[in-house]
Amino acid sequence: QKEVEQNSGPLSVPEGAIASLNCTYSDRGSQSFFWYRQYSGKSPELIMSIYSNGDKEDGRFTAQLNKASQYVSLLIRDSQPSDSATYLCAVGSGNTGKLIFGQGTTLQVKP
Amino acid sequence: EPEVTQTPSHQVTQMGQEVILRCVPISNHLYFYWYRQILGQKVEFLVSFYNNEISEKSEIFDDQFSVERPDGSNFTLKIRSTKLEDSAMYFCAGSGQANTEAFFGQGTRLTVV
Repeated sequence: QKEVEQNSGPLSVPEGAIASLNCTYSDRGSQSFFWYRQYSGKSPELIMSIYSNGDKEDGRFTAQLNKASQYVSLLIRDSQPSDSATYLCAVGSGNTGKLIFGQGTTLQVKP
Repeated sequence: EPEVTQTPSHQVTQMGQEVILRCVPISNHLYFYWYRQILGQKVEFLVSFYNNEISEKSEIFDDQFSVERPDGSNFTLKIRSTKLEDSAMYFCAGSGQANTEAFFGQGTRLTVV
């Protein structure tokens, strides 16, 4: 059974701080990794994709991938109250592109 | 900016009834998916669809479920005889290639009573 694990949180950070979200996955053959943001009652919104080891930066977001450790992380710099949401780690599996999702980490950014 | 559109946003149905959930994917996408999310739980894969046929389905996607893309634009999920445990948010998603960025519709909340 292929699994994606996240700490459910909540992770609470003050406004302006760096939020660090982590994810591990079980399928060593996975090649594609994604972070989605989900507000309560809404659909997953793609915020980052990463396919190779190392860091990928997009604005205030940095995704980090370490395939040897089967570990993906998301850093959010200068956290804002509007960043308060559940962050879903998703891993592409197999040839069809299906995504296996983690449980999600709830982030609370306090003003 | 193109987006995935799902209708209806909320559907209430009686147990045993058939429901059809509809999705209009982004026009240049080739891979299509249905996921569901039971309240408070993780997003779960149901089925993937490529080249007008199912490419993969999960254990959840039993004989009560079917998908089709009848006219080259709409992508539908049918549940033949709904059960209480089918109550969930259902999300349609699409991508241009397998294992690349997938974009989700706003979801249909299905409530079975």
